[in-house]
Amino acid sequence: AQKITQTQPGMFVQEKEAVTLDCTYDTSDPSYGLFWYKQPSSGEMIFLIYQGSYDQQNATEGRYSLNFQKARKSANLVISASQLGDSAMYFCAMRSPPNTGNQFYFGTGTSLTVIP
Amino acid sequence: GAVVSQHPSWVICKSGTSVKIECRSLDFQATTMFWYRQFPKQSLMLMATSNEGSKATYEQGVEKDKFLINHASLTLSTLTVTSAHPEDSSFYICSAPGQGYEAFFGQGTRLTVV
Repeated sequence: AQKITQTQPGMFVQEKEAVTLDCTYDTSDPSYGLFWYKQPSSGEMIFLIYQGSYDQQNATEGRYSLNFQKARKSANLVISASQLGDSAMYFCAMRSPPNTGNQFYFGTGTSLTVIP
Repeated sequence: GAVVSQHPSWVICKSGTSVKIECRSLDFQATTMFWYRQFPKQSLMLMATSNEGSKATYEQGVEKDKFLINHASLTLSTLTVTSAHPEDSSFYICSAPGQGYEAFFGQGTRLTVV
């Protein structure tokens, strides 16, 4: 069974500093997708970054990068140069292959607070 | 990019009444729609998967008679909370898969039952 673990319920970071949000996963599927979403207080799910299980390079999207360590089954999110608007809940998620249900499995989330 | 429009964004209803939440795919055809529920400070939990033209698949512990899901067309899926009670108050959000691993989320609906 698929499982996503986020061990940091809350994190604080100084504005302009970098922060790493941890995520580990467990799956027996050889093919899967890993995602990070940001959820502000409004509730919408904002897509941040995606990493495919067969991707050789770590994904990057602007200030977001995903530290993918396949052997350790970890997919940590690194946010560089934190901004006040980064304060939100962050969810790590794994997607099963399209031919096996295609559903998301979400972690419990990390609440990030950026301090001025 | 593809958009899923979810309405209403928030709703307050009296206990015992029913509430319908709609999710529309605006510029693509969604043969599948996932419905999630999120309680405060918790993660998204999959409730059910709707498929156009067939019955929805419910996750264990989700009452199918209480949470009616209809996927009548390739662009519309609805979730109806029947005989709502205060414990049904939650954030409900839909998601449609795109090609490959991408997915598109609705804006979510905050339901409060009084």
